[in-house]
Amino acid sequence: DIQMTQSPSTLSASVGDRVTITCRASQSISSWLAWYQQKPGKAPKLLIYKASSLESGVPSRFSGSGSGTEFTLTISSLQPDDFATYYCQQYNSYALTFGGGTKVEIK
Amino acid sequence: EVQLVESGGGLVQPGRSLRLSCAASGFTFDDYAMHWVRQAPGKGLEWVSGISWNSGSIGYADSVKGRFTISRDNAKNSLYLQMNSLRAEDTALYYCAKAQSGRLSASDYWGQGTLVTVSS
Repeated sequence: DIQMTQSPSTLSASVGDRVTITCRASQSISSWLAWYQQKPGKAPKLLIYKASSLESGVPSRFSGSGSGTEFTLTISSLQPDDFATYYCQQYNSYALTFGGGTKVEIK
Repeated sequence: EVQLVESGGGLVQPGRSLRLSCAASGFTFDDYAMHWVRQAPGKGLEWVSGISWNSGSIGYADSVKGRFTISRDNAKNSLYLQMNSLRAEDTALYYCAKAQSGRLSASDYWGQGTLVTVSS
């Protein structure tokens, strides 16, 4: 199975900061990568698919990049609503796999 | 409006079985692949199983392979997960998720989950 490694596991930041989260795949997954946001007690929400495509309705401060084995999620200017946990997921092949998550906390 | 409503969770003893259901509405169910994703208390997301639009392609996580079976009934707009030989480590909130297409793709809609607790 393809392993997905996210870093950092926790990130402390302030409103207005630029935030970058990294996800690495154990083998090439082309651009078959998604990013999700999850808040406590809620279902995950799709932010980015195919590595860099913004899901409809998601603010443009979210962006994704990368291909092959290295990917990043960037929040250009962190807003109060963005404090949450973020997960990457590869869907190149079964079994699909998630990264371990990155919790973005208030500094 | 897309709606996914999971049911069938509950408290079950180790070694027993449980069948989860997901009722879908608001989209053409038989056009899309579907997934089950779980989240143990305080832990991250774990993909469990997925099924293509026509059930022609199915996948499982290694942790459930041979014990869980995914299926769908397109006539009933429903997704199922048959869980056998349950273990304590299967305790989690189980989400049903709709894929963006009929095959492998990201999940754009999620249910609110059904809680499965495996304990004696």
